[in-house]
Amino acid sequence: LAKTTQPISMDSYEGQEVNITCSHNNIATNDYITWYQQFPSQGPRFIIQGYKTKVTNEVASLFIPADRKSSTLSLPRVSLSDTAVYYCLVDWDSGYALNFGKGTSLLVTP
Amino acid sequence: DTGVSQDPRHKITKRGQNVTFRCDPISEHNRLYWYRQTLGQGPEFLTYFQNEAQLEKSRLLSDRFSAERPKGSFSTLEIQRTEQGDSAMYLCASSLGREVDYGYTFGSGTRLTVV
Repeated sequence: LAKTTQPISMDSYEGQEVNITCSHNNIATNDYITWYQQFPSQGPRFIIQGYKTKVTNEVASLFIPADRKSSTLSLPRVSLSDTAVYYCLVDWDSGYALNFGKGTSLLVTP
Repeated sequence: DTGVSQDPRHKITKRGQNVTFRCDPISEHNRLYWYRQTLGQGPEFLTYFQNEAQLEKSRLLSDRFSAERPKGSFSTLEIQRTEQGDSAMYLCASSLGREVDYGYTFGSGTRLTVV
């Protein structure tokens, strides 16, 4: 079971790039890295998933170094609506996530 | 399809009462999951179904918790003899298959308050 460590909180101004790093030293060979976003009073929403190197979609980029012991979620030019909690998940041996951890609470201000 | 629906959105109950929550997944999704989320914490896995089969239930918090998915469509989560510690958000998610392959789609949750 790969345990993850993320910063508890981060602050940013509108228009800046935000990078949230997640450490997962015990990641298994078959594990993927997935990031979810959660707004208050809503369920988490899938953002991006990767196995190695770099993945980009219309919302974010995910950078994964060769050793896969960490990953960085990059949000380009954040807006106020990006204020949310972001979770990094890597335990998928069973095909489902046991625990989302505490996530990183991102606050974007004008 | 309107996504994953959960009912009710909010439930206030007195300690000792039984409560039941309903989840309607996305129609073509064969996997359905229940999670619990307390304040300041991320979701914590409770149980999941593949079609009507409950494939993992060892992480239900106690024998007061039970879940069903009788026809492989909607699911219910029941908590008997509620306690104040059961107060939390109960989230349902569905997926086409394994999360790693397809990702979760979550509902907006049912917030339970036990008084």
